[in-house]
Amino acid sequence: QQQVKQSPQSLIVQKGGISIINCAYENTAFDYFPWYQQFPGKGPALLIAIRPDVSEKKEGRFTISFNKSAKQFSLHIMDSQPGDSATYFCAASIRGGSGSARQLTFGSGTQLTVLP
Amino acid sequence: NAGVMQNPRHLVRRRGQEARLRCSPMKGHSHVYWYRQLPEEGLKFMVYLQKENIIDESGMPKERFSAEFPKEGPSILRIQQVVRGDSAAYFCASSPMGHIYNEQFFGPGTRLTVL
Repeated sequence: QQQVKQSPQSLIVQKGGISIINCAYENTAFDYFPWYQQFPGKGPALLIAIRPDVSEKKEGRFTISFNKSAKQFSLHIMDSQPGDSATYFCAASIRGGSGSARQLTFGSGTQLTVLP
Repeated sequence: NAGVMQNPRHLVRRRGQEARLRCSPMKGHSHVYWYRQLPEEGLKFMVYLQKENIIDESGMPKERFSAEFPKEGPSILRIQQVVRGDSAAYFCASSPMGHIYNEQFFGPGTRLTVL
């Protein structure tokens, strides 16, 4: 019930195209859904995050779409660039019993390659 | 403001040795999380600490692994008697106190190789 399932495992997109990565979850108690971007040899960096009280959030070329009833959320990267080539992780968290504890449950990752 | 710092960046140990991984959170952050990333997999939560307290260690293996976050100094993840299956990237994240969603900032990781 704590799992977050992510697809596809890998994605190849032409420069200027739209990259779409999907995630699904089971635990309806999750209330925070961040996306992380990770370059080889680096730690994950927060890209964009959404709460379940909104259906969409946009920051620049990055948009999260959230479907609470379907328990799914997705990341859209518009006008994809070669510099976007990285591994993307969706995640979800729930406020823990201690009040502030918020462990992140990560998806398995999507390796995005944007061709020039 | 320096980010989360981890050292060493790469660590090689032989089976049976001990591994000590250090994490210095961002300035002003009092919450530290440790995650493990196996090759081709996502990050898995291990433990959550505040200064001098372990808050949630539900992701820690029952044996050989321990973590601490002393009043002074970095947080340390300690792995005793390492085995080949411990080879992974270990990431530390920190977050500020009082942020309702506890946005977590990750360090560059320590890549542990067990020979």
